[in-house]
Amino acid sequence: AQKITQTQPGMFVQEKEAVTLDCTYDTSDQSYGLFWYKQPSSGEMIFLIYQGSYDEQNATEGRYSLNFQKARKSANLVISASQLGDSAMYFCAMREIENTGNQFYFGTGTSLTVIP
Amino acid sequence: NAGVTQTPKFRVLKTGQSMTLLCAQDMNHEYMYWYRQDPGMGLRLIHYSVGEGTTAKGEVPDGYNVSRLKKQNFLLGLESAAPSQTSVYFCASSPDRSEPYNEQFFGPGTRLTVL
Repeated sequence: AQKITQTQPGMFVQEKEAVTLDCTYDTSDQSYGLFWYKQPSSGEMIFLIYQGSYDEQNATEGRYSLNFQKARKSANLVISASQLGDSAMYFCAMREIENTGNQFYFGTGTSLTVIP
Repeated sequence: NAGVTQTPKFRVLKTGQSMTLLCAQDMNHEYMYWYRQDPGMGLRLIHYSVGEGTTAKGEVPDGYNVSRLKKQNFLLGLESAAPSQTSVYFCASSPDRSEPYNEQFFGPGTRLTVL
């Protein structure tokens, strides 16, 4: 079974609008971390935001927030007030702290295009 | 701090040639990883290391070997390159999983083409 599922291969959003990128995960661990990375066309992987499984509040970092719904095992990334520079690939990832904390699991990514 | 660096940034090989990719990190991280990224497939783990002198197989280890002789370096070797190994290779490092902020830090990537 896939550990991380991103069901949106491509998304479009109007500049200045908000957009939600979906991510669901599969784990039996009680302790785990969820991450989002951005990969612009230049190729580097940029860490955006982190959510720990025991964190009661949704993580926020500037215009990025993580909509964490533990019971549904979802960790959607919300980007508010989209900018042209947000056009990139976005990857959701998970690290299981208890069992296989040595590895990170990545989704296949969502390509976001911001339209002027 | 340089973070995670990779050498080289680009390389073209002929089928059957060998090469070594070098990854270095200056953050004193215990864990290091090698991934390959192919279009539409996200990141796939090749090998990883949980400390100096240790290595383990990831999802797609065949055709690759690794070594971690020093904590700060993680080498990825291709003994006999094949066109199927044309890809972008990323190295990453992370602190121990018990750390509160334990995300991976990535290198800039190496674009490898095997003709």
